[in-house]
Amino acid sequence: GAVVSQHPSRVICKSGTSVKIECRSLDFQATTMFWYRQFPKQSLMLMATSNEGSKATYEQGVEKDKFLINHASLTLSTLTVTSAHPEDSSFYICSVEGAFFGQGTRLTVV
Amino acid sequence: GIQVEQSPPDLILQEGANSTLRCNFSDSVNNLQWFHQNPWGQLINLFYIPSGTKQNGRLSATTVATERYSLLYISSSQTTDSGVYFCAAPRSGYSGGGADGLTFGKGTHLIIQP
Repeated sequence: GAVVSQHPSRVICKSGTSVKIECRSLDFQATTMFWYRQFPKQSLMLMATSNEGSKATYEQGVEKDKFLINHASLTLSTLTVTSAHPEDSSFYICSVEGAFFGQGTRLTVV
Repeated sequence: GIQVEQSPPDLILQEGANSTLRCNFSDSVNNLQWFHQNPWGQLINLFYIPSGTKQNGRLSATTVATERYSLLYISSSQTTDSGVYFCAAPRSGYSGGGADGLTFGKGTHLIIQP
């Protein structure tokens, strides 16, 4: 299966700042990657579909101007949380091919 | 979109016990997966099982597609089996080449006590 590397694994940022999370597909050229969010003790919720070379597709209720997704190559998708607030604190995880997931990024906004 | 329900939500067992986790889904699917999320958050794909039965060591899974449910069996539980078990299906029920996001159930939180 595909090997997916996500970075950073953990980040703490101040309210109002932006944070970038990287998702790399190490051994598979992925035209599509998926970003999920998981709040404590809850399930994973799909946030957006990242499409290589084109705009991301966002799920209902997810602010596209707040969660910027860039998929500039077949091996890298990035999620930038802009103007982060404490309610954005969550576990963010990406996937490739629908079955292989990165290690996740635990974001804490203080 | 498809709805996925899991039961039980929580399960506490002694080491060595067997367990059965259930996943019901609301519509026909061509892709049903079971995942294990460890305490550090890492999601590991256990089975891709849209129908039939598969086994991998102490774990096995059965999906009865016509009745829209899947079961995950864990035998001779070990403490390392602890974590959350999720089942998931494509949002539309059908995926082609992995190009659809997944809808996850709420998970079963399994604790194996020594």
